[in-house]
Amino acid sequence: AQKITQTQPGMFVQEKEAVTLDCTYDTSDPSYGLFWYKQPSSGEMIFLIYQGSYDQQNATEGRYSLNFQKARKSANLVISASQLGDSAMYFCAMRVRRGGADGLTFGKGTHLIIQP
Amino acid sequence: DTAVSQTPKYLVTQMGNDKSIKCEQNLGHDTMYWYKQDSKKFLKIMFSYNNKELIINETVPNRFSPKSPDKAHLNLHINSLELGDSAVYFCASSGIGGLPTDTQYFGPGTRLTVL
Repeated sequence: AQKITQTQPGMFVQEKEAVTLDCTYDTSDPSYGLFWYKQPSSGEMIFLIYQGSYDQQNATEGRYSLNFQKARKSANLVISASQLGDSAMYFCAMRVRRGGADGLTFGKGTHLIIQP
Repeated sequence: DTAVSQTPKYLVTQMGNDKSIKCEQNLGHDTMYWYKQDSKKFLKIMFSYNNKELIINETVPNRFSPKSPDKAHLNLHINSLELGDSAVYFCASSGIGGLPTDTQYFGPGTRLTVL
């Protein structure tokens, strides 16, 4: 079975500081993908960034980067130069290949609050 | 243009009623999903459909039934609603099935409240 662990229920960060949101995962499948989603207070789920298990380099998307450490089974999200609009719930998720179309396994999320 | 849309956005109903939530995607994806987000914000997969075939049913009560009239639609029917069904339900879609790299794009969610 797959499992995602996010150990930070909530975080307060000063605006313009960098933020690291922790995510560890557990799977015995060699092929998997790791995702981060943002859920603002308005409720929608916004895809941020993806990392494949065979990718050699860490993924980056604008101010978002994924610090992928395969041996440690961690996939931390780094947000550089945080903005007030970054305040939201952040979910780490994983999807493995099981011969068909599989859903995402989510962590419990981290509630990030950016303070001015 | 909205990629994944759901209707209604809010649904308030009485216990015991039957209701449906509609989902449509215009991304040309061949796999669609339903997720449930509980009051603690935890998201869990309920169903996925690939080419009109049910792929996953994660121990969801049989009062819940997904119905896919075509590749672009996956509706969720719920019979005999219970208080514990109150949650936010998200529809999502992704590209080629079977590949873990395919990003899932979510609809705006439907907040279901059972009184």
